[in-house]
Amino acid sequence: AQSVTQLGSHVSVSEGALVLLRCNYSSSVPPYLFWYVQYPNQGLQLLLKYTSAATLVKGINGFEAEFKKSETSFHLTKPSAHMSDAAEYFCAVRAAGNKLTFGGGTRVLVKP
Amino acid sequence: ETGVTQSPTHLIKTRGQQVTLRCSSQSGHNTVSWYQQALGQGPQFIFQYYREEENGRGNFPPRFSGLQFPNYSSELNVNALELDDSALYLCASSLARGETNYGYTFGSGTRLTVV
Repeated sequence: AQSVTQLGSHVSVSEGALVLLRCNYSSSVPPYLFWYVQYPNQGLQLLLKYTSAATLVKGINGFEAEFKKSETSFHLTKPSAHMSDAAEYFCAVRAAGNKLTFGGGTRVLVKP
Repeated sequence: ETGVTQSPTHLIKTRGQQVTLRCSSQSGHNTVSWYQQALGQGPQFIFQYYREEENGRGNFPPRFSGLQFPNYSSELNVNALELDDSALYLCASSLARGETNYGYTFGSGTRLTVV
């Protein structure tokens, strides 16, 4: 079985500050891990994915995530928040089979 | 390269009715998955189709069914609608070769409201 836990359903950051979104997973097999962003009334856009190559993954819009097997974590960071980063972010895992299992999401609010 | 297109974008149905949602896969993709996203929650896997056959199913009752067509487009059918079926339904297409899946592209979803 696989599962994803995102710590914090809401995160508030100031423009220009670090964005850190936490994701922990459980999986009985080596996982593929993903971060998606969802803007209001839209579908999911892939930010980045980990597929067992480099543990530090760089994505779009300045985001990156680090896979830490010992901590079963895949936290998402961005050094400097922009107003356009306000959205909901989902961490997902794909292990056995082809389905994605998503976390509950973290809504990011960016304050000017 | 075209993305994933879903129709309709919004739909209102009455409890007990049936609904069909449609999805056109991204060009070159051969696998389609459907997800249900209730308000304030993460998407939940409904099922996946590969080569026109169901290839995995989540914890959803049989009144949720689907089809995949030779051109890899897909339909999600829900019978006997319940109020709790109100959600955003997302379609994702991907290219799968054997055990390797090359990533998922999501559509913008269909917002279903059951009254």
